[in-house]
Amino acid sequence: GAGVSQSPSNKVTEKGKDVELRCDPISGHTALYWYRQSLGQGLEFLIYFQGNSAPDKSGLPSDRFSAERTGGSVSTLTIQRTQQEDSAVYLCASSRTRPGDEAFFGQGTRLTVV
Amino acid sequence: AQKITQTQPGMFVQEKEAVTLDCTYDTSDPSYGLFWYKQPSSGEMIFLIYQGSYDQQNATEGRYSLNFQKARKSANLVISASQLGDSAMYFCAMREPLDSNYQLIWGAGTKLIIKP
Repeated sequence: GAGVSQSPSNKVTEKGKDVELRCDPISGHTALYWYRQSLGQGLEFLIYFQGNSAPDKSGLPSDRFSAERTGGSVSTLTIQRTQQEDSAVYLCASSRTRPGDEAFFGQGTRLTVV
Repeated sequence: AQKITQTQPGMFVQEKEAVTLDCTYDTSDPSYGLFWYKQPSSGEMIFLIYQGSYDQQNATEGRYSLNFQKARKSANLVISASQLGDSAMYFCAMREPLDSNYQLIWGAGTKLIIKP
């Protein structure tokens, strides 16, 4: 596609339910990032994929969070047993991997846990 | 240790004035890239400008320029003749090698408000 696509754009879920967030990166971009952003705050790094592997998972806040990427393309971020503090905008970005390659962001998924 | 530091959580600037947003970085690798992004209230992340560690000239893109001081490890963004539409969060980011790939590392951001 023309840009990074994330779905759903908005998700309201009940506390304790599992949610899956999807990111479809720009074709040919081998690097994929997930970030979390609370209102008015900076970007909290979650996980980085290079191809299908995740060399840096250091940002995942708990074992309720997991992510996978298949075929070097689509990635899903799964949050199990959601808590209210998981409410945030989840941003996905993709890029090539040379020093000068900018990251392209999706519009984000706004997750609200009630 | 912080890899990217943006010391100004918020700034107020009068319209039409120039504004400098600070960014310092920490890396021991000679090859890296520095980026600035803008995030307006709509939430989209907009790429503004890029500076490579080997670039001899400071990067410029329209009203944006990057004051790159390699020895001081600073990459400040300068916006000339600020406009009301410049009000947004601004993020500095660095790409440095990680296992031969180049991961992006972000600063905490600066919230810029342009006053009419």
